[in-house]
Amino acid sequence: DTEVTQTPKHLVMGMTNKKSLKCEQHMGHRAMYWYKQKAKKPPELMFVYSYEKLSINESVPSRFSPECPNSSLLNLHLHALQPEDSALYLCASSPHLGNTEAFFGQGTRLTVV
Amino acid sequence: AQKITQTQPGMFVQEKEAVTLDCTYDTSDQSYGLFWYKQPSSGEMIFLIYQGSYDEQNATEGRYSLNFQKARKSANLVISASQLGDSAMYFCAMRVSNAGGTSYGKLTFGQGTILTVHP
Repeated sequence: DTEVTQTPKHLVMGMTNKKSLKCEQHMGHRAMYWYKQKAKKPPELMFVYSYEKLSINESVPSRFSPECPNSSLLNLHLHALQPEDSALYLCASSPHLGNTEAFFGQGTRLTVV
Repeated sequence: AQKITQTQPGMFVQEKEAVTLDCTYDTSDQSYGLFWYKQPSSGEMIFLIYQGSYDEQNATEGRYSLNFQKARKSANLVISASQLGDSAMYFCAMRVSNAGGTSYGKLTFGQGTILTVHP
């Protein structure tokens, strides 16, 4: 089982809304990631968690707030987003931070109106 | 810092033929991994193949093979017997293994190549 599950698949939110993206994996992986991807561009790393601790924050604006409540779950809390934040948000996991492949979820297509 | 370069924005191939997607990389680390992912229009990023910097043999996975030339810092993906379902965006990516470095764990992607398979 190499499945990473993201919910919701699509999300439309207003600039004053608060919403959360959810990511779950049951592969026993201890590293989890959030990426943001604009159309026809490569994914850009936002956050990395290792053993439920934040390892990398790529200078992401505070309107994006990650949370890793346990080793299987990763959330991304959204608040006061801008229209330019509309993108595909991809979650990934890997056994650890070292030289191993990362498995991605199907992503959440976010539209901010 | 790591850098991945994919110089082919788009590639076309006839069904059943082979195609090579180019990828070059730059890093000062000695231990690293190279990855190829396929992204169909649905958006999911599908892992295809992995090559470690110390692996002496080129990686193969079914119809996918990775032509690894360490001295040239290239890691080209070869897809044999192309199928219509291979039409997608393909990303080359790299991760360094230097624990403790600021980039440890970071998967860096190239700009991608859109592959179109013609019937």
